[in-house]
This record gives sequence, C-alpha cells and structure tokens, in this order.
Amino acid sequence: KAGVTQTPRYLIKTRGQQVTLSCSPISGHRSVSWYQQTPGQGLQFLFEYFSETQRNKGNFPGRFSGRQFSNSRSEMNVSTLELGDSALYLCASSLGGMEQFFGPGTRLTVL
Amino acid sequence: EDQVTQSPEALRLQEGESSSLNCSYTVSGLRGLFWYRQDPGKGPEFLFTLYSAGEEKEKERLKATLTKKESFLHITAPKPEDSATYLCAVQAREYGNKLVFGAGTILRVKS
Repeated sequence: KAGVTQTPRYLIKTRGQQVTLSCSPISGHRSVSWYQQTPGQGLQFLFEYFSETQRNKGNFPGRFSGRQFSNSRSEMNVSTLELGDSALYLCASSLGGMEQFFGPGTRLTVL
Repeated sequence: EDQVTQSPEALRLQEGESSSLNCSYTVSGLRGLFWYRQDPGKGPEFLFTLYSAGEEKEKERLKATLTKKESFLHITAPKPEDSATYLCAVQAREYGNKLVFGAGTILRVKS
C-alpha cells in the first residue's frame, strides 16, 4: 500500500512570493492534516481537512491556507512568504483522524 | 493549554544498554497518546497509540506504557539502527484530531 506522498520535496523561494505544496494521502484515507516543523518550535499543527471541509485550524496567520479535493488530495498555500516560514512542511493522512501517517515532507527555504 | 514535555532531550546509549524515554502531558480529556520515530530529513514514522492509563504496547525492542500523567518508551537492548528522534504527541477530545507534539528525544546508540 503506497504511503503519503508530498510534492515537491524541496523548494526555494524569496520573501514576498507565494508557494503551493501538495499532498496525496494513503488510498482510502479521507482526513489530511498539515504540520510545520522547525528547530525552534518543533512540530506545530496547521489545519485538518476531512471530506473537503476544514475541520480544525491551528494558530497560524491567514497567509497559511489549504484545501482538499474530492479525491482527498490536499494542497496548502502560503502567501507573502517571510524568512520565518522556512521549515519542513509535513502532511499526515488518517482514516478517521486517530492514527496519522506522515509523508516525507516538503523542505521550504525562504531567502 | 495542552502541554507535552519529553525528557531527556538527548540520550546516548551503548548497544545493548536498555533505557527509557519519558513523555509527561497536561491535557483535558485525553483522546490518545502517540509515539513516533523520526529519522533525519524524513517524516515521522508511526509507532504506537495508547488510549488509557495502564495500557501497554510492544513492537520489537520498544515498549510503550501510559499512566494518567505520563508515558514511557522503554528500549530494550537497543541497536545502532534504533538511533533516531522519538516524538510523543497527544490528542485532546476538545480539539479533535489535532496532534500536540513534544520536542522529542534524540537517541544515539553506539556499537
């Protein structure tokens, strides 16, 4: 069974630009959550989508947004990038939300 | 506010030297406690879910236990391939599927 896939794996952007990251969950999983991982703050919850609806949102500014498609694939978007947005962005999928399985992440560097 | 504290921050063991990692938590209405392993540059790998005090789960050299205030990850006769960062996370009933992570314990096992 294929795991969670994330694209791209690496991304370099400059301040002020915007970026879109993609996540394909494990087949049959309808819940997709996004997390940001930095050395200083660790893993922090961004948001969760289930059946194309945002179910929960973390404490991040409105520049961070996401969506989920009818095939459960999800995208997250960060607009007006700041240096502090440099991080590993992780996507996790689950059947109902309890046990979450993570993808390899997208490493975003903002210059 | 939900809090998860892991100790020690780092642990060095000789191959075969058993030890335990600690995860203490403060959460209203625990829905589940999760252990993950993360290798450098990769996403967290799911290990265990514990739901209630007294529960224990085992997998190879790892055994996770749960009390009302903390969880332990016991590593028996570790091998160098057990070297990784071990992350603990909790889910609270109030916040649905959101995972709140601890900072992790970096484990190094030397042969």
